[in-house]
Amino acid sequence: QVQLQESGPGLVKPSQTLSLTCTVSGGSISSGAYYCSWIRQHPGKGLEWIGYIYYSGSTYYNPSLKSRITISVDTSENQFSLKLSSVTAADTAVYYCARWRRDGYNYFDSWGQGTLVTVSS
Amino acid sequence: QTVVTQEPSFSVSPGGTVTLTCGLSSGSVSTSYYPSWYQQTPGQAPRTLIYSTNIRSSGVPDRFSGSILGNKAALTITGAQADDESDYYCVLYMGSGISVFGGGTKLTVL
Repeated sequence: QVQLQESGPGLVKPSQTLSLTCTVSGGSISSGAYYCSWIRQHPGKGLEWIGYIYYSGSTYYNPSLKSRITISVDTSENQFSLKLSSVTAADTAVYYCARWRRDGYNYFDSWGQGTLVTVSS
Repeated sequence: QTVVTQEPSFSVSPGGTVTLTCGLSSGSVSTSYYPSWYQQTPGQAPRTLIYSTNIRSSGVPDRFSGSILGNKAALTITGAQADDESDYYCVLYMGSGISVFGGGTKLTVL
């Protein structure tokens, strides 16, 4: 059973860069069947897809966030990461990493527990 | 920009049947969008219920089913139980590596 775990600072100052890492266990991040994804949820609101990365490094980003996002992958550590630059209070959210099953299925099949990131001075 | 629409809220009586829908602000939902459905209770991560329109994820009770109804994707809960009270989200795959969440439906069982 694959497990995903987010890690990173819970508090980030405005204008700085939010950095999170997702560690995958119980399955290889280099499996060609999956994308590694980030999703966020503002307090009391719905889910928002941020983007995903293939193990080869190909990335796909939400157009509304694209200018501030970088998603990277470290296959040797079985991890992938999110960087969101120039954050404001509007970026305060629970951030989830998830695995996107591709190859004609196209859905999120496994989720991390989520980590709350607060943007505040 | 494409908006994925869901009913903001819905209620169902215990034992009853409810159908939640997932549409597009412009156009019709088909199987080509690979609609998937997720259940989320407060403070928890989403749980995958349905993928590729109508395939139940492992361990999901068969009272949950997915389909295309008219021009929308649909999630039907048959024989609703108290612990089905949750938020439900659909996701549509737009192609070209873009996925879009619906706004979610808050389901009350009372």
